[in-house]
Amino acid sequence: GQQVMQIPQYQHVQEGEDFTTYCNSSTTLSNIQWYKQRPGGHPVFLIQLVKSGEVKKQKRLTFQFGEAKKNSSLHITATQTTDVGTYFCAGPHSYNFNKFYFGSGTKLNVKP
Amino acid sequence: KAGVTQTPRYLIKTRGQQVTLSCSPISGHRSVSWYQQTPGQGLQFLFEYFSETQRNKGNFPGRFSGRQFSNSRSEMNVSTLELGDSALYLCASRSANSGNTIYFGEGSWLTVV
Repeated sequence: GQQVMQIPQYQHVQEGEDFTTYCNSSTTLSNIQWYKQRPGGHPVFLIQLVKSGEVKKQKRLTFQFGEAKKNSSLHITATQTTDVGTYFCAGPHSYNFNKFYFGSGTKLNVKP
Repeated sequence: KAGVTQTPRYLIKTRGQQVTLSCSPISGHRSVSWYQQTPGQGLQFLFEYFSETQRNKGNFPGRFSGRQFSNSRSEMNVSTLELGDSALYLCASRSANSGNTIYFGEGSWLTVV
């Protein structure tokens, strides 16, 4: 069945190091959305990418959507302790928008 | 525009009881979905409602049910609660008019004792 995998599952970094999480779907997605969930909180929408090969930046965060619209990445430059949380990717099926898929999430811990 | 609102935020129930959680989506959003989140399990999809009809359903037992009203507000019910039902229950709404971006509520923390 349809799966959206994220790697790594966990990542521990020293403050100031970079961090990347990868999202891979078994099928083409209409768009890719990224969410951040702080410990004890709820997932908060970060960004949406729609076009094949699209790249968007939010300060230290860089998001990419693959050419085939099946994979995506989130890269954080020079992590800070405020980046701690779980990052999820998600997206609707490319032609069946009723189907929405979430990645398994990458839990990021940043040591000061 | 108000976000997704969930009530109650926290509740404690006893095994065997039942619970009803409520969700008000963002105005104009007709799709409401529910997720269960437990430590280490990620987001587990329960079901999605659109225009009062269940559109998708996850792999949860029949004890978990939901419904949606004509104003798009939704409720989910869990009957015969088990200890393993302790979790954060998240409601989310989306709209095709906004690229199907999903917006989550703050969740309802359920503890079953």
